[in-house]
Amino acid sequence: DARVTQTPRHKVTEMGQEVTMRCQPILGHNTVFWYRQTMMQGLELLAYFRNRAPLDDSGMPKDRFSAEMPDATLATLKIQPSEPRDSAVYFCASEGTGGGEAFFGQGTRLTVV
Amino acid sequence: AQSVAQPEDQVNVAEGNPLTVKCTYSVSGNPYLFWYVQYPNRGLQFLLKYITGDNLVKGSYGFEAEFNKSQTSFHLKKPSALVSDSALYFCAVSLHSGNTPLVFGKGTRLSVIA
Repeated sequence: DARVTQTPRHKVTEMGQEVTMRCQPILGHNTVFWYRQTMMQGLELLAYFRNRAPLDDSGMPKDRFSAEMPDATLATLKIQPSEPRDSAVYFCASEGTGGGEAFFGQGTRLTVV
Repeated sequence: AQSVAQPEDQVNVAEGNPLTVKCTYSVSGNPYLFWYVQYPNRGLQFLLKYITGDNLVKGSYGFEAEFNKSQTSFHLKKPSALVSDSALYFCAVSLHSGNTPLVFGKGTRLSVIA
């Protein structure tokens, strides 16, 4: 059963600490998205990659967020330093070359205190 | 710029009754429209999509949606609601049929009451 795997599922950290979230896309999928979900803003795109190349990261605060795909099986989203306003659920999604349907992971619920 | 509006934060329906979750969109060019569902503490699950062709799209779990170009709407429907349909529903739009980001609506919480 192919699925997008995100780790950790939950993370509580103190303000100022570095947070790294990981995503394993479905094998063979060439497009990876990072979305953030909050009560106030809903679902927002942070960044996305195609064939490991970043195509759009305009949704990310550049001074503290970074997204990478070190290889085709791993995408990372890093926050340094973290702030309480970063508290949200972060979703990774992947899509195959045929397109038409993005598969979402279960999300990482981040709480910054 | 693309945008999606889901005018109802909450929809309540009795089990067995038909349900409708509303969605309107704004996009320059041809729209590609999607519905996703989110159960508590889970990621989003794809329900259905409209790319082209028949305006009535059938999807998973008995859901369907009707594309109406003149009203720029893509309402989600089901003839007979189940308690298990209770979840958060998101409408989304893209400028392309795949491999591009989705712009989501704020979501509509559906409660089906037994």
